[in-house]
Formats: sequence, C-alpha cells, structure tokens
Amino acid sequence: GAVVSQHPSWVICKSGTSVKIECRSLDFQATTMFWYRQFPKQSLMLMATSNEGSKATYEQGVEKDKFLINHASLTLSTLTVTSAHPEDSSFYICSARDVGQGIGRTDTQYFGPGTRLTVL
Amino acid sequence: AQSVTQPDIHITVSEGASLELRCNYSYGATPYLFWYVQSPGQGLQLLLKYFSGDTLVQGIKGFEAEFKRSQSSFNLRKPSVHWSDAAEYFCAAQTNDYKLSFGAGTTVTVRA
Repeated sequence: GAVVSQHPSWVICKSGTSVKIECRSLDFQATTMFWYRQFPKQSLMLMATSNEGSKATYEQGVEKDKFLINHASLTLSTLTVTSAHPEDSSFYICSARDVGQGIGRTDTQYFGPGTRLTVL
Repeated sequence: AQSVTQPDIHITVSEGASLELRCNYSYGATPYLFWYVQSPGQGLQLLLKYFSGDTLVQGIKGFEAEFKRSQSSFNLRKPSVHWSDAAEYFCAAQTNDYKLSFGAGTTVTVRA
C-alpha cells in the first residue's frame, strides 16, 4: 500500500517550452501533496504544498507563475514548469500525505520516484 | 529555529558490519520523526517513523531507530549491512503544518 507514482520519469525539452509532471496516489486519497526539488548530492527543497480543490501554497522564493500546480482530484496533482530554461533542470519529487483512518491513524508522506527534467 | 541535523555527511561501512546514522532535531515539542532512504536517481522510500509510544521503532529492511527525548535524537541502526544498503539516508521531522523538514542526508557506502 501507499504507492505514489510520477509521470514522466524523465523528460528533455527545449528552452521556452512548458513541461507537465503528474503525481498520483495509487491506493489512497491525498488531500495534500507536496512538490520538492532536489539538486545533485543535496537534500530535498520544498517548493509548494498542493491542496485538493484550492490554490497551492508556495514556499518563499518559488515563482508561482513559473511552477503552476493543480490538484484537481484526491489522487492527482500536476506541476507545470512554464517557459522552462536550463536553470530549471533538476530532479522533481512529489509526495502525497496519507492521514490514515480510524484509531491510531498516522500522518505520513509517501514519495514518488521522481522526474528528471533536462532543459536544453 | 526548527531544524533537523545529520552530522555525518558520508559513512563507509564494511558489508556485514553494523551501521548507525545520527539525527538530531531542534523543535519546541517532539515532532513526528521519519527516516527515508534514497537510491541513486530514485524517490524516497520510508524506512520507519516515530509518532509516540515505544521509543524503539522497527522498520523495513532490518532497520530500527531509537528516539531519545533527552538527547533530541532519532538515530537509525542496522546490525548487519548488506551491499544493497548503499544509498542516501534522510532524517525528517514533520512540522505543525504537516510539512517535512529534512536533514542534509548521509551517504552510506558499503565496501566488500
């Protein structure tokens, strides 16, 4: 259980184009998903919190018009990198928050496998 | 400031030897604590988590972690490492707004 998928796993695009990355929770519903960016040999940097049915919340310094987030259903969030440039090349990882059910419910983020974006 | 610290950037261990990865947190109250593992080019896999109760937590792949409130620590251990344990390990704490704050990570190299 608690599987999160991302698509595509890698993408190469030309500078100036837009790229959409999908994040899906496969076996649970997630009202909250998170988008991270990871540079080589570094930790994860939280970009934004994606809330189902409402606007995303962006971390300080993240351009909301550059990184568009849509969370249209309880199992799908998308990140669109608009007008991508080489400096946007990175590893993007999403996570989905599973709050569990019933007694002893826990609150855990499960991560997708990541998407490698290369902008030429 | 709230933070998670992993003091060891890189650890090399022989196959079959024991492994301990350190994690310290700095929060006003005890946060939810997690250990994740990341293989090269992959996402993060949850190893184990601590919310409350028993301070010794068992996880997957033979890992365990011990929460010590007095030391603000949540160290990860494995009695006997396998070559497949070579990876990047992240300690994380969940803040009040459900976000995860990650440590810098520890790279584990396993030598034959």
